Amino acid sequence: SQKIEQNSEALNIQEGKTATLTCNYTNYSPAYLQWYRQDPGRGPVFLLLIRENEKEKRKERLKVTFDTTLKQSLFHITASQPADSATYLCALLRYNFNKFYFGSGTKLNVKP
Amino acid sequence: DAGVIQSPRHEVTEMGQEVTLRCKPISGHNSLFWYRQTMMRGLELLIYFNNNVPIDDSGMPEDRFSAKMPNASFSTLKIQPSEPRDSAVYFCASSILFGQTNTEAFFGQGTRLTVV
Repeated sequence: SQKIEQNSEALNIQEGKTATLTCNYTNYSPAYLQWYRQDPGRGPVFLLLIRENEKEKRKERLKVTFDTTLKQSLFHITASQPADSATYLCALLRYNFNKFYFGSGTKLNVKP
Repeated sequence: DAGVIQSPRHEVTEMGQEVTLRCKPISGHNSLFWYRQTMMRGLELLIYFNNNVPIDDSGMPEDRFSAKMPNASFSTLKIQPSEPRDSAVYFCASSILFGQTNTEAFFGQGTRLTVV
């Protein structure tokens, strides 16, 4: 079965720095890899999607990379702000299998 | 659109009681997912519906859990009888199936279930 690993330890960084979060997966190569943000007491919210034939995707201060050889995705937030503090989850979706497999998430703390 | 709507937001019940969680997906979405989130196990997929039909219920932990989707705008997740280990946050999410693949999932606010 698919296994998705995200660093369970919180990531603490200073405001203005770049935060980098990692998502590693095993077994099947996904069709899509997605990143979600989850705030306390709320459901995850979709941020970015990257397809298996894409190396990089950007949206404002966010950047996602996807390395199918390493089976890894990196999620970057540049010029981080305290408002970016949240838990970030990665999710995989395979072609013809319409289930989203989620990692357990990494908590990001951006300190002013 | 108001997004995915779940009710109740919080539920406290005694062990052995029946619990019913409700979900209204986003209008026009044809896929619906029920997830359970705990600190220990993260976000686990329980069941997936497409066009109101259950496609994959392999994540449903036991026969005590059942889910229905009688129409495109309503789904329920029932636990009978409930046990303390069922305590978790239950999320409903909906999505659009394009071709053979779903795009992003839209989540509700969740139902925090506590079984005492």
